[in-house]
Amino acid sequence: AQTVTQSQPEMSVQEAETVTLSCTYDTSESDYYLFWYKQPPSRQMILVIRQEAYKQQNATENRFSVNFQKAAKSFSLKISDSQLGDAAMYFCAFSYSGAGSYQLTFGKGTKLSVIP
Amino acid sequence: GAVVSQHPSWVICKSGTSVKIECRSLDFQATTMFWYRQFPKQSLMLMATSNEGSKATYEQGVEKDKFLINHASLTLSTLTVTSAHPEDSSFYICSPLGVGMVSNQPQHFGDGTRLSIL
Repeated sequence: AQTVTQSQPEMSVQEAETVTLSCTYDTSESDYYLFWYKQPPSRQMILVIRQEAYKQQNATENRFSVNFQKAAKSFSLKISDSQLGDAAMYFCAFSYSGAGSYQLTFGKGTKLSVIP
Repeated sequence: GAVVSQHPSWVICKSGTSVKIECRSLDFQATTMFWYRQFPKQSLMLMATSNEGSKATYEQGVEKDKFLINHASLTLSTLTVTSAHPEDSSFYICSPLGVGMVSNQPQHFGDGTRLSIL
C-alpha cells in the first residue's frame, strides 16, 4: 500500500516571502506520479504541480516548484513570493498505474495562511 | 471553462432519504470515475472506482449497498447515498479519468457536493 505523509498540519508565511511545504511518501513502485493540489475555502481541487518519478528534473510552475528526492521519497513544495490568494489547504498526492488504475492517495493536508 | 460538472453542490435532507449526486465530464469521455469523500478538516478518501459499463470497485470499509454507483455512459456517473443518516454527512467529490488521459493522470475534479443529513 502507498502512504503519503504531510507532517505540517498548519503553516504560515508573510506575504511576498517563501514557504516550503513538506511531503514524504512510501511505495515499492518505481514508476509513479506525485502531485500537489490546492483546496481553497471553496473546496475546489486545483492542481498546482505534477512530477513524474522517472524525471530527475524538478517540476516548476511559475512561483511554485518542487524538490523531488526520489531516494529519500520526499516531495516538498516551495511557494515563492507568496500571495494572499495562496492561502488554502495543500494536499500532496501519489498515483501509480497499479492494477490499471490511477487513483490518487492523498496526504492529510497542510493549511497555509498568508499574513498580509 | 469547467470540464467536470457535479450536481447538486449542496443538499440538505432528512434522515432516511436517498440522495443522488451526478458527475458529468463535459468535453471528454470518462472511462473511469473516482468518487472521494472528505470529512471536515480531513483529507480526501477514495470511496470507489467505477469503469464505464462495469460494476464499481469499493474501498475497504465502504458499504456498496449504501453508496450505489452507476457509470452507464462515458460522460455521466452517479453516486446515490441510500437511506442517508447523519453520519453520511460529508463532502463528496468526483474525479473522472478520460480516454487517453492515462499518462496525464486524473487531474480533473468536480466542484463537490456538500451533503447534510438532518
